[in-house]
Amino acid sequence: QKEVEQNSGPLSVPEGAIASLNCTYSDRGSQSFFWYRQYSGKSPELIMFIYSNGDKEDGRFTAQLNKASQYVSLLIRDSQPSDSATYLCAVNIGYGGATNKLIFGTGTLLAVQP
Amino acid sequence: DTEVTQTPKHLVMGMTNKKSLKCEQHMGHRAMYWYKQKAKKPPELMFVYSYEKLSINESVPSRFSPECPNSSLLNLHLHALQPEDSALYLCASSQDQGFEQYFGPGTRLTVT
Repeated sequence: QKEVEQNSGPLSVPEGAIASLNCTYSDRGSQSFFWYRQYSGKSPELIMFIYSNGDKEDGRFTAQLNKASQYVSLLIRDSQPSDSATYLCAVNIGYGGATNKLIFGTGTLLAVQP
Repeated sequence: DTEVTQTPKHLVMGMTNKKSLKCEQHMGHRAMYWYKQKAKKPPELMFVYSYEKLSINESVPSRFSPECPNSSLLNLHLHALQPEDSALYLCASSQDQGFEQYFGPGTRLTVT
């Protein structure tokens, strides 16, 4: 069973701090990794994707991937109350073509305190 | 533009009804997906269409029937549902399987 694990939280950080969200996955063959933000009652919104080892930055968000450790993380700098949401880590599994699909972690609830 | 649209936003149906959920994207994406999401759980994959052909069916009960009339449209036909099928039904699309997926706003389904 391919798995993606996240700490369910809640992760509470003060406004302006760095929020660090972590995710581990079991399938060594996974090649693509995604972070989604989901507000309560809304659909998931893609905020970052990363395919190569290392860091990828987009505005206040940085995704970090370490395939050797099977670990992917999301850093949110200068956290704002509007960042309060559930963050879903998703990992693509499959052997190419028609077998590719996303496996989601259970999500981490982030609460940014004003 | 990364917009996926879904109709209706809300749907209430009885266990003997037949209804359909609709999804549309105009991004030229060739893969489209149906997910089911229960409260406080992650999305759960139901079906994947790639180049208008069904590529993955995650052992979904036959009371859910997907259809892909063309590369921009995806339907989910519902028949004889159970109360436990009440959930948020999400459609997503991606350039191809394995690439980043963009979700629509979802249809909130209640089965009475």
